[in-house]
Amino acid sequence: GENVEQHPSTLSVQEGDSAVIKCTYSDSASNYFPWYKQELGKGPQLIIDIRSNVGEKKDQRIAVTLNKTAKHFSLHITETQPEDSAVYFCAASREDYKLSFGAGTTVTVRA
Amino acid sequence: DAGVIQSPRHEVTEMGQEVTLRCKPISGHDYLFWYRQTMMRGLELLIYFNNNVPIDDSGMPEDRFSAKMPNASFSTLKIQPSEPRDSAVYFCASSGTENTGELFFGEGSRLTVL
Repeated sequence: GENVEQHPSTLSVQEGDSAVIKCTYSDSASNYFPWYKQELGKGPQLIIDIRSNVGEKKDQRIAVTLNKTAKHFSLHITETQPEDSAVYFCAASREDYKLSFGAGTTVTVRA
Repeated sequence: DAGVIQSPRHEVTEMGQEVTLRCKPISGHDYLFWYRQTMMRGLELLIYFNNNVPIDDSGMPEDRFSAKMPNASFSTLKIQPSEPRDSAVYFCASSGTENTGELFFGEGSRLTVL
């Protein structure tokens, strides 16, 4: 099955700086790559996703890039704010619904 | 819509007892998923349903776990008998085909088996 590795496991950034989280996947047939944000005591929530026919996607301060050849994708958060502090999960799937999640990155934004 | 509703939010039980977790998906969604989250193993897909029919239960750890979806608005995940290693947060999520893959998660049921 699909194996998704995510780095780093923790990330501390100064407010206003950028944060980057990287993931690699093993199944070359995977074609859907979402990112979820999980706040304390809540369920994960989709923040952005990308499909394999696109190399980059941006939504305000967040962006995702995909390198299919290298089988890795990244989440970029610019101008970080305290409310960006959370656990972020990457995921990959060859079918939209059967997701394999990375282990998660705990992001802390220091004021 | 109220979102995906799970109950109970917290459950503490003793080893050997039966545990039933409940989920109400978002109205109109035709996919329902059960995930388990632990520090050691992260988020694991246990089973998912489409139109109330189980499609893939390969993630169900063993026969002690069972899941049902008797209708479009209700699903249960049952553990019988429970063991301490079943302690985790169990999430239910739902999705509709129009959402192109986005999962909507509930707030989870935190299970502690003593």
